[in-house]
Amino acid sequence: ETGVTQTPRHLVMGMTNKKSLKCEQHLGHNAMYWYKQSAKKPLELMFVYSLEERVENNSVPSRFSPECPNSSHLFLHLHTLQPEDSALYLCASSQGLAGVGHVNEQFFGPGTRLTVL
Amino acid sequence: AQSVTQLDSHVSVSEGTPVLLRCNYSSSYSPSLFWYVQHPNKGLQLLLKYTSAATLVKGINGFEAEFKKSETSFHLTKPSAHMSDAAEYFCGFNTNAGKSTFGDGTTLTVKP
Repeated sequence: ETGVTQTPRHLVMGMTNKKSLKCEQHLGHNAMYWYKQSAKKPLELMFVYSLEERVENNSVPSRFSPECPNSSHLFLHLHTLQPEDSALYLCASSQGLAGVGHVNEQFFGPGTRLTVL
Repeated sequence: AQSVTQLDSHVSVSEGTPVLLRCNYSSSYSPSLFWYVQHPNKGLQLLLKYTSAATLVKGINGFEAEFKKSETSFHLTKPSAHMSDAAEYFCGFNTNAGKSTFGDGTTLTVKP
């Protein structure tokens, strides 16, 4: 496997279910990200991890719980979701964090298409 | 507040004709701007980035963008569109701590 992989690619769940999204990067990067991409809305940054520590939590509801056990893996644990949480969830990684004056390229996975019934 | 605005939600061009995707930004300082492309059922891929080294930035697949401070613009261009360029394009910028903000996206359609 190369690049950034995400599993599953598609997920349908009820509002009372608990599920997890998995992201794995094979690039040796030290920063990882979760984004939410909804129809008709801009890409929303959810969480940022650098060296396995969370550095950004963008006012995301607690029903989304991230976990970064090591620099290669990132999880998004889901519980008691709402229908409006249906979206494409994208994972990305980069070598170092982006900042003013430098754009560290983010490499994105193909996403998990989540449908909440 | 910093923001980006992609002026067109949809752009349609014929194959072989020029492409122009427009992006304006609002920032109190010189921003770190970028363009990403997203093909159907794929993640985003970086096309090019501006970090104040040169105002004309060349990217992959023949795309380029020019940073114009006087117009607060960072428009994406390509001299000749190819069918494979049909995709969603996102302009955006970075702030500190790894925070990237993306525009609403522009869907590019290329007609044969």
